[in-house]
Amino acid sequence: QQKVQQSPESLSVPEGGMASLNCTSSDRNFQYFWWYRQHSGEGPKALMSIFSDGDKKEGRFTAHLNKASLHVSLHIRDSQPSDSALYFCAVRNNNAGAKLTFGGGTRLTVRP
Amino acid sequence: DTTVKQNPRYKLARVGKPVNLICSQTMNHDTMYWYQKKPNQAPKLLLFYYDKILNREADTFEKFQSSRPNNSFCSLYIGSAGLEYSAMYLCASSSRGDTQYFGPGTRLLVL
Repeated sequence: QQKVQQSPESLSVPEGGMASLNCTSSDRNFQYFWWYRQHSGEGPKALMSIFSDGDKKEGRFTAHLNKASLHVSLHIRDSQPSDSALYFCAVRNNNAGAKLTFGGGTRLTVRP
Repeated sequence: DTTVKQNPRYKLARVGKPVNLICSQTMNHDTMYWYQKKPNQAPKLLLFYYDKILNREADTFEKFQSSRPNNSFCSLYIGSAGLEYSAMYLCASSSRGDTQYFGPGTRLLVL
């Protein structure tokens, strides 16, 4: 069964700093990587998906995918206190239909 | 509107008693999902409905039931709650397997 590993488990950065989160899949048969963010008291919310090698940028968020190593990272530049949340990586596989497999999450704290 | 609603937000149940959780969405999504989330663990998919077809994960097959009386509503049913069912239950919906939109969750505590 596929596993999705995220690191670090927790991360603290100063306001205005860069936060870098990592995710690795154990299954090469993936279709998409997703990044979700969950603020306290809310459900997870999709940030972005990526399926091609290289970078995908959306505002202050950049995802980088390396298919060969099954590794995706999320970089948040100019981090804001409002970015403090739990970040999940999720993988959709080619043969899993509409299912996503989630990682355990990285808790990001942005210090004012 | 990309809102997924869940009721109740908090549920206290007794061991051995049934539990019924409700989810609704107005986005006309064809797929609705239920996840279980425990502290420091990944959200775990329990089951999902694609249209009227229910798909249950093999390892939770006998523990959870669900119904989808119409496109907008989906329930999660536990016939006899055990202590191990204490968790956050997240409902999500999507169209054709695309972006999943999550509700705020129902926190279930079984005593």
